Amino acid sequence: DIQMAQSPSSLSASVGDRVTITCQASQDISSYLTWYQQKPGKAPKLLIHDASILETGVPTRFSGSGSGTDFTFTISRLQPEDIATYYCQQYEDLPLTFGQGTRLEIK
Amino acid sequence: EVQLVESGGGVGQPGGSLRLSCTTSGFTFEDFAMHWVRQAPGKGLEWVSLIFGDGLTTYYADSVKGRFTISRDNRKNSLFLHMTSLQTDDTAFYYCAKTSLSTTRVFDFWGQGTLVTVSS
Repeated sequence: DIQMAQSPSSLSASVGDRVTITCQASQDISSYLTWYQQKPGKAPKLLIHDASILETGVPTRFSGSGSGTDFTFTISRLQPEDIATYYCQQYEDLPLTFGQGTRLEIK
Repeated sequence: EVQLVESGGGVGQPGGSLRLSCTTSGFTFEDFAMHWVRQAPGKGLEWVSLIFGDGLTTYYADSVKGRFTISRDNRKNSLFLHMTSLQTDDTAFYYCAKTSLSTTRVFDFWGQGTLVTVSS
């Protein structure tokens, strides 16, 4: 199975800050990586697929980059509504696997 | 508008069975592979199972293989998960998820989830 190491597990930042989350795959997954946002009590929402392609309607302050084994998710200017847990997921191979999640809080 | 609504969750006994359903609307159901993903309370996401649009090809996580069966009824736009030999580790919110057009492995819409609690 492909393991996804996501860090940090939690993060506290101020409104307007630049926030970065990393995800490392245990083997080469090309660009087969997604990022999801999950707000408390809600289902996950797809933000980014193919490592860097923003879903329609997702604010442009969200972005993703990387390929191979190392990936980055960035929020350029943190907004209060961005409070959530963020997960990466690889889809290079089955079983599909997720990172452990990053809980983002506002300072 | 795409809608996915899960039902069938509740309390099941260890060794028992439960059947989850996911009723869908707003898209051509038979054209899309579908998944079940679960999340233990306060924990991360775990992929459970995948079924292709024709219902003939299925895949399972090792943790549920041989105990869970995924199926679909394309006439009723519905997805199912038959869970047997339940274990306490199966306690989780179970989400059905629709795949995107470009790949069968990215979840572009999720239901609101249904809670399964395995307890005696």
